[in-house]
Amino acid sequence: QSALTQPPSASGSPGQSVTISCTGTSSDVGAYDYVSWYQQHPGRAPKLMIYDVTKRPSGVPDRFSGSKSGNTASLTVSGLQAEDEADYYCSSYGGRNNFVLFGGGTKLTVL
Amino acid sequence: EVQLVESGGGLVQPGGSLRLSCAASGFTFNNYWMLWVRQAPGKGLVWVSLINPDGTTTYYADSLKGRFTISRDNAKNTLYLQMNSLTGEDTALYYCAKDLHYGSSDDWGQGTLVTVSS
Repeated sequence: QSALTQPPSASGSPGQSVTISCTGTSSDVGAYDYVSWYQQHPGRAPKLMIYDVTKRPSGVPDRFSGSKSGNTASLTVSGLQAEDEADYYCSSYGGRNNFVLFGGGTKLTVL
Repeated sequence: EVQLVESGGGLVQPGGSLRLSCAASGFTFNNYWMLWVRQAPGKGLVWVSLINPDGTTTYYADSLKGRFTISRDNAKNTLYLQMNSLTGEDTALYYCAKDLHYGSSDDWGQGTLVTVSS
C-alpha cells in the first residue's frame, strides 16, 4: 500500500483534458508545497513534470499543470496527445521521518 | 548534460549483500542531495534513501532502516547503496536520482536491476 493514493487508471481522448488526483494527509501533501509529478513511459526512467505543486521544469509543455487543495494534489493534462500515454506518479515531502512519499501510480490511456 | 549511470546490480541469493554505484557527471556533484528510488517489476516507485551533499546526513524509508546504507564519494562523483540481508522483496530496478529539493528529482539514471533469488 502506497503512502499517497492515486487512481489506478485515467483516460481521455486526444485534445481533451484529464485530471489525476493524489491524496495524502495533513502531515505530507497538506503540510508542504513540495508535491511533484513524474511521467514514466514503459522501460524508461521517470521524468519530472511538475514540482513544488505548480512549477514546470524547463522543456515540459504547458499542457501539464499542477494544483493542490488541502490534502489532495492534482495533475491536469490539457490537449491530450498520444505521447502523453504513460504512468504518472505523484510524490510529496513528508517531513524528516518520511522524507519522500510516492503514490501508487496512475496509468493514463489516450483513447 | 547530466548523466547518472548505475551499476552493481545482479542476481544475489536471499540473505546476501550487494553494493550499487551511481557515477555522476555533467553537474557539480558535491552541491546536490542525491536519492535512491526502486521499482519492483510491474510496480510503482518507492523511495529508498537520501543523502546530503557532504554525506553527513542520511534518510531512509522506515522499512529499510538498518539493512541499507547510502554513502557518497565526492572525489569520485559517485553515490553508493550498500544493501544487506536481501530478500525477494528487494528485487527491483534501483534508480539513482539528483535532488532538486525536498525529494523532487530532476535527473534520473536508467537503473540497475537487483534480483534476489536462490
